[in-house]
Amino acid sequence: ETGVTQSPTHLIKTRGQQVTLRCSSQSGHNTVSWYQQALGQGPQFIFQYYREEENGRGNFPPRFSGLQFPNYSSELNVNALELDDSALYLCASSFYDGADTQYFGPGTRLTVL
Amino acid sequence: GENVEQHPSTLSVQEGDSAVIKCTYSDSASNYFPWYKQELGKGPQLIIDIRSNVGEKKDQRIAVTLNKTAKHFSLHITETQPEDSAVYFCAASYNYGQNFVFGPGTRLSVLP
Repeated sequence: ETGVTQSPTHLIKTRGQQVTLRCSSQSGHNTVSWYQQALGQGPQFIFQYYREEENGRGNFPPRFSGLQFPNYSSELNVNALELDDSALYLCASSFYDGADTQYFGPGTRLTVL
Repeated sequence: GENVEQHPSTLSVQEGDSAVIKCTYSDSASNYFPWYKQELGKGPQLIIDIRSNVGEKKDQRIAVTLNKTAKHFSLHITETQPEDSAVYFCAASYNYGQNFVFGPGTRLSVLP
């Protein structure tokens, strides 16, 4: 177990709705990255948060947004849900010291109907 | 941007045999190459990683080799066991993981 937790485990939403996913990082880690993993594919980088600021972003539209809190936990918000947003959303925590090593949580399975 | 290819997409081996998965990357600036194992319904688990200043790294039955000139790296699993069955992902990154790019994955089946 990595110590990274995510909630909820599963979520069902309808198209057009908004969703918030949560992640608690491993103790001692100050950086959180979010990934989208479609079925049968590798994870795709959404964005990374360090010291409560966005610290890099992948090729995702602005309706994907996030927050990092002083305790380094994080939220991923997705507005105006589309059917293609159905995926496993993973967060990974790391310590921003050049080590790069990221430890993943179990993910949140989002289904958009 | 970085592009990571991974082969084969599926791999079946007999228990006790070795398994090799290969990845290539496109961006010569990439300097960190982790391998993850993902079991059904779980998040990816880091199994081994290598940095660009090292050519090979070993941890018990698992080893990774890196050829920076050719821009490819490989995962080697020896003495495979049924519990090694999972999907394996390689990834390439630089700049503290802001640009973590994963390969498409290899489904490894170890047959008893």
